[in-house]
Amino acid sequence: EVQLLESGGGLVQPGGSLRLSCAASGFTFSNYGLSWVRQAPGKGLQWVSVISGGGDSKYYAGSVKGRFTISRDNSKNTLYLQMDSLRAEDTAVYYCAKDWRYYYDTRSYLDYWGQGTLVTVSS
Amino acid sequence: QSVLTQPPSVSGAPGQRVTISCTGSSSNVGAGYDVHWYQHLPGAAPKLLIYGSTNRPSGVPDRFSGSKSGTSASLAITGLQAEDEADYYCQSYDSSLSGSVFGGGTKLTVL
Repeated sequence: EVQLLESGGGLVQPGGSLRLSCAASGFTFSNYGLSWVRQAPGKGLQWVSVISGGGDSKYYAGSVKGRFTISRDNSKNTLYLQMDSLRAEDTAVYYCAKDWRYYYDTRSYLDYWGQGTLVTVSS
Repeated sequence: QSVLTQPPSVSGAPGQRVTISCTGSSSNVGAGYDVHWYQHLPGAAPKLLIYGSTNRPSGVPDRFSGSKSGTSASLAITGLQAEDEADYYCQSYDSSLSGSVFGGGTKLTVL
């Protein structure tokens, strides 16, 4: 059974940093791309970032490019999202999700999701 | 404002059929990119419902079906059940943004 468990959320001040983690199990971790998707309070889903199975390819949404860094440790079956220069508009539940294939491309979709971790950016 | 446009809400009685539309543009759905659909119950993990515009993952009831034409896609749910009450999101790829995009979501209420 595929399981994705996010952690690391919490309250952080504007301009601060936070690192999210996503522990995965139930599939061959290094064979699949992984994404972060967020949902602001009362809003819809927003794609944030994706990384390929080997970590060699990464993409970011324009709203987080230059501030967020996605990475993975295939020896620990764990995905990360380093979030720097946080803003109030980054407040959201952050979901970790598994891509159906190794590389991200125009056909990518997310076949398994975690339950999310809440990030609140406020002073 | 979301790149893909969905109605904020739809409703139907048990047993009825409802459809949820997802309207895009020439840089996403209209460019021929696939549309995927997710079901999201509050507090739960989103669930893949339809991939590749028309395909159902194993375990998804055949009451759920997807279609795509031009710049729009639709999710149809037949034989509505109380457990279908959830938020539904469409997703595609956008060449102008060079990334995945979601619709704003549609809340389905089973009357």
